[in-house]
Amino acid sequence: KNEVEQSPQNLTAQEGEFITINCSYSVGISALHWLQQHPGGGIVSLFMLSSGKKKHGRLIATINIQEKHSSLHITASHPRDSAVYICAVNSGGGADGLTFGKGTHLIIQP
Amino acid sequence: DSGVTQTPKHLITATGQRVTLRCSPRSGDLSVYWYQQSLDQGLQFLIQYYNGEERAKGNILERFSAQQFPDLHSELNLSSLELGDSALYFCASSVGVVGEAFFGQGTRLTVV
Repeated sequence: KNEVEQSPQNLTAQEGEFITINCSYSVGISALHWLQQHPGGGIVSLFMLSSGKKKHGRLIATINIQEKHSSLHITASHPRDSAVYICAVNSGGGADGLTFGKGTHLIIQP
Repeated sequence: DSGVTQTPKHLITATGQRVTLRCSPRSGDLSVYWYQQSLDQGLQFLIQYYNGEERAKGNILERFSAQQFPDLHSELNLSSLELGDSALYFCASSVGVVGEAFFGQGTRLTVV
């Protein structure tokens, strides 16, 4: 069973700061997902990665398959980025559900 | 709006009862996943259906069952409810067997 670890668990930063959230997993994967969950509870998919790097607006996600590690970066952070960021992986070669990390609770102060 | 619709949004019921949660996937998505989010266990995968067939099972209790209908909507049935079943239940869908998952807004179940 894949173990997904995220760090930090909690992060408070000032508006404008560069944010990095890390994710490591224990077993080879077919894909890694970064999700965002706002206080209302809804979950939004930010990225799905199997290699390299993806960028969307101020968000960048990278993955190193050999090191079993991924990072989510937020540039020029803003209070609206405050949310829980969750790393999740597909472990199987075929169909399977996601295995989730415990999430990183991010607060961006104005 | 992800395009995934879950009903109801909130549900309060008594221990021992049975409830049904409903999910309509995004148009064109063939996979439906069910997840449970509780305070102590976090997010956990329950079950996946693909084009009407059960595809993968996670930590789904025997008291729980699901199905996907020919129109691709899915239902999660929870029976003999216990206080510990109180949680947020999410449905997600994707185009293929494995792919980017789009989540519904969730059903918050409270068992009293």
